[in-house]
Amino acid sequence: EPEVTQTPSHQVTQMGQEVILRCVPISNHLYFYWYRQILGQKVEFLVSFYNNEISEKSEIFDDQFSVERPDGSNFTLKIRSTKLEDSAMYFCASSLRPARSPDTQYFGPGTRLTVL
Amino acid sequence: AQSVTQPDIHITVSEGASLELRCNYSYGATPYLFWYVQSPGQGLQLLLKYFSGDTLVQGIKGFEAEFKRSQSSFNLRKPSVHWSDAAEYFCAVVALMGTGNKLTFGGGTRVLVKP
Repeated sequence: EPEVTQTPSHQVTQMGQEVILRCVPISNHLYFYWYRQILGQKVEFLVSFYNNEISEKSEIFDDQFSVERPDGSNFTLKIRSTKLEDSAMYFCASSLRPARSPDTQYFGPGTRLTVL
Repeated sequence: AQSVTQPDIHITVSEGASLELRCNYSYGATPYLFWYVQSPGQGLQLLLKYFSGDTLVQGIKGFEAEFKRSQSSFNLRKPSVHWSDAAEYFCAVVALMGTGNKLTFGGGTRVLVKP
């Protein structure tokens, strides 16, 4: 069964450093998402991406964050200058059907980001 | 704005006993509802979903959930719990947007299974 994959599984970085989290969505999916879960808190929506553009972003997704689909398979989340409060589990998800119709988002296993 | 509440942070259940996890949602339009499970060190796996039709939906691993519009609830049940069901369970509602749908999650319920 196709699945979403994410690398690395765990990333440790120093405050102020740039990190790139990588995701390979399910191959025929068209809609891509990033969510995060700070330890002990809810899973929160960060951004959705379709047709090489951000379609929606939350207030968390400020100028320090960016997303990109650099090729036909990868979907990346970049944090330019990490802060301590960026420490969290980051989940990538993808879905097939167009927006404005309910569809299932399939999640990857997550990348645990630790900022020291 | 939509929201999801899972009133129980932790539930402990004996193996073989029944399990019910509560979920209440707030959403102005037709709700599309999901239950995901997160096992230790794993990602979010879809258990089941409700889009329309029969309000009792069946999922994987022997789980079912019932949508009750009058109570704004979507509770998850399993008749007989196995030790492997120990995990965290998340209820979520999707908001349909212009070019991408956004899931709003509840806070999760952690299930511990006693032998």
